[in-house]
Amino acid sequence: EIVLTQSPATLSLSPGERATLSCRASQSVSSYLAWYQQKPGQAPRLLIYDASNRATGIPARFSGSGSGTDFTLTISSLEPEDFAVYYCQQRSNWPQTFGPGTKVDIK
Amino acid sequence: EVQLVESGGGLVQPGRSLRLSCAASGFTFDDYAMHWVRQAPGKGLEWVSGISWNSGSIGYADSVKGRFTISRDNAKNSLYLQMNSLRAEDTALYYCAKDLAAAGIPTIPAFWGQGTLVTVSS
Repeated sequence: EIVLTQSPATLSLSPGERATLSCRASQSVSSYLAWYQQKPGQAPRLLIYDASNRATGIPARFSGSGSGTDFTLTISSLEPEDFAVYYCQQRSNWPQTFGPGTKVDIK
Repeated sequence: EVQLVESGGGLVQPGRSLRLSCAASGFTFDDYAMHWVRQAPGKGLEWVSGISWNSGSIGYADSVKGRFTISRDNAKNSLYLQMNSLRAEDTALYYCAKDLAAAGIPTIPAFWGQGTLVTVSS
């Protein structure tokens, strides 16, 4: 099973700042990596799939990059609604696996 | 509007069984692969199982293989998860999710229901 590691565990930032979240895979997942956002009491929402493709309705301030084992989710300028937990997920090998999450909270 | 409504959760004793259901609407159900993903209280996400549009491709997490069975009834626009030999560590909110792309194997859980809570305890 492919293990995903996310860093940092918590990111404390202010609205308007840039957020950079990392996801590292234990072996290559090619570009088969997705990012999800989850707010308290809500279901996860797909943000990015296949490393860099924004899902329908996702604002342009969210972008993804990377391939192989190292991936990045960037939020160019944090809005108040962006403070949440972010998970990466790989679909390269079954079983699909998720990372442990990065919490972006307000500084 | 896509809607996924999970049901069937509840309190169950260890070793017993439970069957979850997911009623889908707002899209052509039999075009899409589907998933079950769970989240233990205060924890992260764990993919449980996925099934292709025609049930020809099915996968499970190692933690549930041999105990859980995913199935679907395209005529009823419904997804199911039969859970046997339940353990305390199966306690979680179970989400049903629709795949991103049509007519493929389960790949990307793209749209999620609100979940149904399963508690395994004596």
